[in-house]
Amino acid sequence: GQSLEQPSEVTAVEGAIVQINCTYQTSGFYGLSWYQQHDGGAPTFLSYNGLDGLEETGRFSSFLSRSDSYGYLLLQELQMKDSASYFCAPWLNYGQNFVFGPGTRLSVLP
Amino acid sequence: GAGVSQSPSNKVTEKGKDVELRCDPISGHTALYWYRQSLGQGLEFLIYFQGNSAPDKSGLPSDRFSAERTGGSVSTLTIQRTQQEDSAVYLCASSGGSGSSEQYFGPGTRLTVT
Repeated sequence: GQSLEQPSEVTAVEGAIVQINCTYQTSGFYGLSWYQQHDGGAPTFLSYNGLDGLEETGRFSSFLSRSDSYGYLLLQELQMKDSASYFCAPWLNYGQNFVFGPGTRLSVLP
Repeated sequence: GAGVSQSPSNKVTEKGKDVELRCDPISGHTALYWYRQSLGQGLEFLIYFQGNSAPDKSGLPSDRFSAERTGGSVSTLTIQRTQQEDSAVYLCASSGGSGSSEQYFGPGTRLTVT
């Protein structure tokens, strides 16, 4: 079976840096994706790590360590609009990328 | 270009009725997914279509749920004899294929069973 863990909630202030962790135990693994979902909205793709290390996309970065079955999403220079839920989604086997973590609700305070 | 569209956006039905939810994926996308999301919860996988291959139905919660995809494009999710526990947002997503990690989601259909 598959097991994914994320913190349920994270709170930070505007301008701060926050890290959202994801640990996984899966039967197969190709890489790790991250999605953002605002209340009432649909999930949108943020990033994908196919290799170990850090991937940077503007204010957002994502990290993967296959040996530790661990990844994180790093959000810098937090803005109010970053308040949303964030889901990690491992790509289990080629073509099977439909497992999502439980999600982390990020609240950004002024 | 056009994104993934879903209809209806909202559906209220009485317990025991059948409902059909429609998804129009991005043109050219070969993979299509259906998920269910209850309020404040994560995404629950329902079914996956990839090209002309047999769909992966491993996430369907009961035999009241079925889905089809016609012509490799539009998909319909059917729920028969709806129950109150079926109330949720049903999300459809498409991707460029089995080699693509990025899924594009539609706005969802909010189903309420009274």
